[in-house]
Amino acid sequence: NAGVTQTPKFRVLKTGQSMTLLCAQDMNHEYMYWYRQDPGMGLRLIHYSVGEGTTAKGEVPDGYNVSRLKKQNFLLGLESAAPSQTSVYFCASRNGDTRRTSGEQFFGPGTRLTVL
Amino acid sequence: SQQGEEDPQALSIQEGENATMNCSYKTSINNLQWYRQNSGRGLVHLILIRSNEREKHSGRLRVTLDTSKKSSSLLITASRAADTASYFCARTAAGNKLTFGGGTRVLVKP
Repeated sequence: NAGVTQTPKFRVLKTGQSMTLLCAQDMNHEYMYWYRQDPGMGLRLIHYSVGEGTTAKGEVPDGYNVSRLKKQNFLLGLESAAPSQTSVYFCASRNGDTRRTSGEQFFGPGTRLTVL
Repeated sequence: SQQGEEDPQALSIQEGENATMNCSYKTSINNLQWYRQNSGRGLVHLILIRSNEREKHSGRLRVTLDTSKKSSSLLITASRAADTASYFCARTAAGNKLTFGGGTRVLVKP
């Protein structure tokens, strides 16, 4: 199993450009999450999904959109990138059945995004 | 804002020593989790402690939880150079979301 994978690993954008980050998991997890991590800080939740076709806002959703068309994929979109969105983006997934799981989240390796 | 706050922000110890870091939070929790992040990598789950538990062990890790003080501690015993990483606490309240603290950077010197 590959676990949680993220594409791309690195990206440089100019202000105003758009892009989509792809997260894929092969663990059949119901829940998926997008976080951003800024230097010296913990993770902040951008958006999350509790199942295919559903999404919800997290702590810092402005400037981002997401889609969960397939259970294994969770896409994060930036429609018009801004320098404030320079960050490392992490995707995570989790099994939805808390009777069978501790609730731990499994993280991808991250995408380092720079917006000039 | 981040609900969990770690203390200290950074810790430097010699190999073989114990490392202790603390996490405080402001609202009630269902459980509290600790994660490790090696430089440039994603987070890895270490241990989860539920709100009705007071202490939990996993290998060289010991986690305590004091819900009356809204705080938790992570102890790494007999530290190794490979323990050099950032450690984050994350709390779960109602719902399916984790709220992370700012982390403690641990440096274990050989």
